[in-house]
Amino acid sequence: DAKTTQPPSMDCAEGRAANLPCNHSTISGNEYVYWYRQIHSQGPQYIIHGLKNNETNEMASLIITEDRKSSTLILPHATLRDTAVYYCIVRPWISGNTPLVFGKGTRLSVIA
Amino acid sequence: EAGVAQSPRYKIIEKRQSVAFWCNPISGHATLYWYQQILGQGPKLLIQFQNNGVVDDSQLPKDRFSAERLKGVDSTLKIQPAKLEDSAVYLCASSLVTGNEQFFGPGTRLTVL
Repeated sequence: DAKTTQPPSMDCAEGRAANLPCNHSTISGNEYVYWYRQIHSQGPQYIIHGLKNNETNEMASLIITEDRKSSTLILPHATLRDTAVYYCIVRPWISGNTPLVFGKGTRLSVIA
Repeated sequence: EAGVAQSPRYKIIEKRQSVAFWCNPISGHATLYWYQQILGQGPKLLIQFQNNGVVDDSQLPKDRFSAERLKGVDSTLKIQPAKLEDSAVYLCASSLVTGNEQFFGPGTRLTVL
């Protein structure tokens, strides 16, 4: 079972920042937080991951709380193409090759 | 670089029939995964290969599902016989052995009537 809790849906105005929360209160010390998204009729796409420090890449920023029990994915300037289901996943780093355990995710709707 | 290829994209069969899906991972990716995604849910792992060996098939319904990855490259997933509850999208993903990122194909949407 998924070890994360996410709101089922969110709306965001185009051009605004989208802040997607995730609760992972039972996360272990060797587990990373990963975010994937799935646009309609496509396979999931990797966005970002982190352990305890905040991370940023060309797609998004990941803010992890100091106690690591929750995190927020930030899309700084949401566009209509960001409409998708966003999955927050806790994944242990053993060999780097463990499968992903998906929950139901958050359906983000970006509105013009 | 070319992504993960899957075929067919869509398949409609009647219950008790057989069906097979094909996946070609990204070149050089030793690890290959098959996931099942039922409508409204997140993907669920069915089987994981590393090269041509099975790493994890604990969630594969082995009485009707089988998968192989001969020569450690392409993979096929078969269902025989299909049930109504097998209607889902079947996703193939691949990754480097030490990679953080899994790359997913577009999936095969199976409808069992």
